[in-house]
Amino acid sequence: AQSVTQLGSHVSVSEGALVLLRCNYSSSVPPYLFWYVQYPNQGLQLLLKYTSAATLVKGINGFEAEFKKSETSFHLTKPSAHMSDAAEYFCAVSEGGTSYGKLTFGQGTILTVHP
Amino acid sequence: DGGITQSPKYLFRKEGQNVTLSCEQNLNHDAMYWYRQDPGQGLRLIYYSQIVNDFQKGDIAEGYSVSREKKESFPLTVTSAQKNPTAFYLCASRSGDRTYGYTFGSGTRLTVV
Repeated sequence: AQSVTQLGSHVSVSEGALVLLRCNYSSSVPPYLFWYVQYPNQGLQLLLKYTSAATLVKGINGFEAEFKKSETSFHLTKPSAHMSDAAEYFCAVSEGGTSYGKLTFGQGTILTVHP
Repeated sequence: DGGITQSPKYLFRKEGQNVTLSCEQNLNHDAMYWYRQDPGQGLRLIYYSQIVNDFQKGDIAEGYSVSREKKESFPLTVTSAQKNPTAFYLCASRSGDRTYGYTFGSGTRLTVV
């Protein structure tokens, strides 16, 4: 069975500061990993994904994430926060291999950016 | 442009009523999913369908029903048996290539009045 844990339901940073959102996963097979962003009353938008190619993945809006197998982590970072980054972020895992594989989502982390 | 359309965006239900949420996609995706979102609880899977005329229960299927008569459409009915239906409902779809992840609709907010 697969699972995702996002450490910290709320993260608050100042504008221009580093953003770090933590995600740890559990999977019995090599995983596919995703980060999504959700703005209020909207659907989820894909930020970036890891699908067994490069371990450092770059996404939209200046975000990136690094897959660390030894730590079973896929933390999301951005060097300098903007006010527009305030949103809820979800980490998700899908089983790799030949399974059709549903996505399992973490509980979400709400990012607040202060001026 | 291809995408997923959910309607209506806001829906109000009286107690004891059944309501149906619409989800239509023109992405030619095989798989479709319904999630319920409540504050602090992330996304919980209600039902999913990998092919027309077939669907499976997710983690919280009680009080909900679905149909998949067409590849493009996956409506969700919230029945009177669902005791706490007030929530944000999200529909998603995915192609056969799992590396693309899901594409989401913009959601329907259901409120019981």
